[in-house]
Amino acid sequence: EVQLVESGGGLVQPGGSLRLSCAASGFTFSSYWMHWVRQAPGKGLVWVSRIKSDGSSTTYADSVKGRFTISRDNAKNTLYLQMNSLRAEDTAVYYCARRGGIDGYNPFDYWGQGTLVTVSS
Amino acid sequence: EIVLTQSPGTLSLSPGERATLSCRASQSVSSSYLAWYQQKPGQAPRLLIYDASSRATGIPDRFSGSGSGTDFTLTISRLEPEDFAVYYCQQYGNSPFYTFGQGTKLEIK
Repeated sequence: EVQLVESGGGLVQPGGSLRLSCAASGFTFSSYWMHWVRQAPGKGLVWVSRIKSDGSSTTYADSVKGRFTISRDNAKNTLYLQMNSLRAEDTAVYYCARRGGIDGYNPFDYWGQGTLVTVSS
Repeated sequence: EIVLTQSPGTLSLSPGERATLSCRASQSVSSSYLAWYQQKPGQAPRLLIYDASSRATGIPDRFSGSGSGTDFTLTISRLEPEDFAVYYCQQYGNSPFYTFGQGTKLEIK
């Protein structure tokens, strides 16, 4: 059974940092692109970042570029999101998601349960 | 970047009725790489439809998707109580940006 379990969320002050983790199991983690998607309270889904299966390529939404860093450790089956210079508008539930299919264009077929990040003084 | 606009914002229907949700793109979606997700309160999104019209594994056949180019539709043929949720469309053909629509809330009338 495919499972994605996020952790690392919490309350942080503006300007602070936080690292989120997403532990994957039930599939060959090193074969799949992985993504982070966030959802502000009461709002819609917003794509944040993606990383290639081998970690060699990353992409970011403009809103987080230069502040967030996505990475992965395929030996530990874990995805990360390092978030620096956090702002109030970064407050959201952060989901990790697996892009379905090893190649080609595919939607997100599995999602974690999410971890809440609150940026407030 | 493609912008997806969903309508209506809220749809009020009764169980047993037919639901029609719309997703319009600001430019053509490559090869109909459009998905629909369902999200219930406190839960992660669940993939329903991919490639505009293919049902994901385990999705009941009362859910169907259609459309191409810039106009897409999610239809739920006969609403069950568990179908009342928020629905999002997403395009994944114009990578690297995987844009979502703003969502349609399907509520019980």
